[in-house]
Amino acid sequence: DAGVIQSPRHEVTEMGQEVTLRCKPISGHNSLFWYRQTMMRGLELLIYFNNNVPIDDSGMPEDRFSAKMPNASFSTLKIQPSEPRDSAVYFCASSSDTRKVSPLHFGNGTRLTVT
Amino acid sequence: AQSVTQLGSHVSVSEGALVLLRCNYSSSVPPYLFWYVQYPNQGLQLLLKYTSAATLVKGINGFEAEFKKSETSFHLTKPSAHMSDAAEYFCAVSDRGNTPLVFGKGTRLSVIA
Repeated sequence: DAGVIQSPRHEVTEMGQEVTLRCKPISGHNSLFWYRQTMMRGLELLIYFNNNVPIDDSGMPEDRFSAKMPNASFSTLKIQPSEPRDSAVYFCASSSDTRKVSPLHFGNGTRLTVT
Repeated sequence: AQSVTQLGSHVSVSEGALVLLRCNYSSSVPPYLFWYVQYPNQGLQLLLKYTSAATLVKGINGFEAEFKKSETSFHLTKPSAHMSDAAEYFCAVSDRGNTPLVFGKGTRLSVIA
């Protein structure tokens, strides 16, 4: 299995631009999670989906952030407009068990830099 | 709500020495507990998990952790550190319900030759 695939690996953009991060979960996994990692705040859960339906988006910092999961094999996290404080590493993870007994499988992340 | 506290943001050990990374949890119900490892420029990988079976859990790469309810702890240990163990380690807790894992802030392990 190829694991969780995220693209791009690195993204550099200017403040005010739209940014779209992409994720392909492991085939057969029914839960998908978006995390943000920074030095100051550590690993924060932004939103998670179960069977393509958003379950909890309380971690999404502002209305500038939105996430979609149009089908079981694809999800996007969009930031519009982007700001320098959005600079972080964004991880996507998937799991086959919403009760969290099964482990999360993480992608290698997208390093976002907003100048 | 559940939470975890990892004591020490950075731990440094000599190669061959004991590794001890500390994690204390807070949960209103018997928790599931996990340790993950993150190597540079990679995502997190599962090291081991506790789901209410044996209190001493063995994981990959020679790591193990012991669940101690009386101390609300789940410390990670390895008898002999190897250079390849240098990474960031995260403790995480779940309340067994339909809620995602809550991660600690992480502990960076350095191994000195």
